Amino acid sequence: AQKITQTQPGMFVQEKEAVTLDCTYDTSDQSYGLFWYKQPSSGEMIFLIYQGSYDEQNATEGRYSLNFQKARKSANLVISASQLGDSAMYFCAMREGPTYKYIFGTGTRLKVLA
Amino acid sequence: NAGVTQTPKFRILKIGQSMTLQCAQDMNHNYMYWYRQDPGMGLKLIYYSVGAGITDKGEVPNGYNVSRSTTEDFPLRLELAAPSQTSVYFCASSFFNRQGRETQYFGPGTRLLVL
Repeated sequence: AQKITQTQPGMFVQEKEAVTLDCTYDTSDQSYGLFWYKQPSSGEMIFLIYQGSYDEQNATEGRYSLNFQKARKSANLVISASQLGDSAMYFCAMREGPTYKYIFGTGTRLKVLA
Repeated sequence: NAGVTQTPKFRILKIGQSMTLQCAQDMNHNYMYWYRQDPGMGLKLIYYSVGAGITDKGEVPNGYNVSRSTTEDFPLRLELAAPSQTSVYFCASSFFNRQGRETQYFGPGTRLLVL
């Protein structure tokens, strides 16, 4: 069965430093999509980055990059030059290719320290 | 563009009551989704739609129904509210570019309390 695992319930990072949030996934599909979302304390869900299973290069969006290691089934989010506004809950998610169903991890709460 | 809009923002229901959560998007996206988020948890997919007239069940469909008569609207119906349906409900829509890369847009959420 498809599954997303985020093993870090909480993380701290110093402002301006980089941080990696871990995500591993399990699927038997060859075609799938991987996503990261940010949820600030206000509760909204903000799409950050997408990686397709056939993409050969790691996805990047500004300060966000996705470290995609297909053989290890990992899709870690790297945030460079952390800012205080990055403090939030971060969710990793996967879309099953043929069905357009999504599953989410339990999230990692990131706190950026000044 | 208003993006994805949801109404109401907050609602209190009594056990057994019914209600419809409204969701609309003005981006002409074919793919739309309903999720629920319980406290301290990630999102769980309730229903999704790949186009007008086409809907399918997600991970947790029991107690809910949906319809998709137009591309813009994707309402979620709770027929007999139960305390277990207390949650925050998010509607979302997806766009795929020519390279197959997907972007998902979320509404602001509806907080539902069933007492």
